[in-house]
Amino acid sequence: EVQLLESGGGLVQPGGSLRLSCVASGFTFSNYAMSWVRQAPGKGLEWVSGIPSSAYRTYYADSVKGRFTISRDNSKNMLFLQMNSLRVEDTAVYYCAKEGAVAGLPLFDYWGRGTLVTVSS
Amino acid sequence: DIVMTQSPDSLAVSLGERATINCRSSQSVLSRSNNKNSLAWYQQKPGQPPKLLISWASTRESGVPDRFSGSGSGTDFTLTISSLQADDVAVYYCHHYYNTPPIFGPGTKVDIK
Repeated sequence: EVQLLESGGGLVQPGGSLRLSCVASGFTFSNYAMSWVRQAPGKGLEWVSGIPSSAYRTYYADSVKGRFTISRDNSKNMLFLQMNSLRVEDTAVYYCAKEGAVAGLPLFDYWGRGTLVTVSS
Repeated sequence: DIVMTQSPDSLAVSLGERATINCRSSQSVLSRSNNKNSLAWYQQKPGQPPKLLISWASTRESGVPDRFSGSGSGTDFTLTISSLQADDVAVYYCHHYYNTPPIFGPGTKVDIK
């Protein structure tokens, strides 16, 4: 059974930093691209960042480019999101999402339960 | 970036009746490499993560009831729930994965009338 478990969320002041983690199990993590998708309270879904299985490059939404960094550790089955210079508008539940079998296509077939990031003074 | 729109924003349907949700992309999401539409539908219940229902515009995921069906091509797509059940109350999102960034529609809330 595929499982994705996020952690690292919390309350942070504007301008602060947080590092989110996602531990994966139930599939061969090193074979799949992964993404972070967020959902502001009461709002829709927004893709944030993605990373291929080999991490040869990374992808970001314009809203977070230059502030967030995605990375992965295939030896530990873990995905990370380093978030710097946080803004109030970054407040959201952040989901770790596994991409499907076709490389290069960001289709999300499994999602974690999410971790809440609140940016407020 | 491709813009995704959905209609209606919300709908209320009687139990056992049909629910239809429309999704439109600002440009075609038909992949020339495999002649398939890179369009998915997700269901999100309150307090839960999204669940993938349909990929490639019309392919149901394993375990998804056959009352859910997807159709359409190019820029116009439809999710149909043929006979609404109480368990189907949720927000439904369309999503293109044709290129990066992948974009979600704004969602359609489905309730029981």
